[in-house]
Amino acid sequence: DIQMTQSPSTLSASVGDRVTITCRASQSISSWLAWFQQKPGKAPKLLIYKASSLESGVPSRFSGSGSGTEFTLTVSSLQPDDFATYYCQQYNSYSELTFGGGTKVEIK
Amino acid sequence: EVQLVESGGGLIQPGGSLRLSCAASGLTVISNFMSWVRQAPGKGLEWVSVIYSDGTTYYADSVKGRFTISRDNSKNTLYLQMISLRAEDTAVYYCARMNRGGDLWGQGTLVTVSS
Repeated sequence: DIQMTQSPSTLSASVGDRVTITCRASQSISSWLAWFQQKPGKAPKLLIYKASSLESGVPSRFSGSGSGTEFTLTVSSLQPDDFATYYCQQYNSYSELTFGGGTKVEIK
Repeated sequence: EVQLVESGGGLIQPGGSLRLSCAASGLTVISNFMSWVRQAPGKGLEWVSVIYSDGTTYYADSVKGRFTISRDNSKNTLYLQMISLRAEDTAVYYCARMNRGGDLWGQGTLVTVSS
């Protein structure tokens, strides 16, 4: 089984900050990684797919990078609407999809 | 409008059964990879099951043998049949189209397993 480890689990930041979240896979998943944003009571929203491709309609302040086992999600300048929980997900194998534990981005 | 709408959740006793539905509009279920993902109260996302366009299915170890994913092409609907439910199955259940990892999600339906 592929394990996905996200860090940090909680992040306190201010509007305008540059924020980086890390996701580590227990084995290589090439670039088959997605990032989601979730707000309370809402379904997850796809932000980034294939590690670095921006989903249509997602602001360009969001970016993703990495391959193999190490991945990052960066928000270049945090906006009030960005305070939420973020999850990575590997889809290297569709027989076994795995999410990271999540990173809650809070207002400092 | 392209959307997924789940239904069928509710309160069920441990050991009971429940069938969740996910009605699709603006897309064809049979032509897409579709998954069920759940989220226990206050917890993270957990993948449950997937069905390929060719009908191949896979399950998380935590539900294998108890849950069955299926689809009705005439109703353009995805299902999750759940039996032998446990307290730890309590969660919001989402259906999702898995293009690019998961580009379209329903609003979720809450399943509560409790006596």
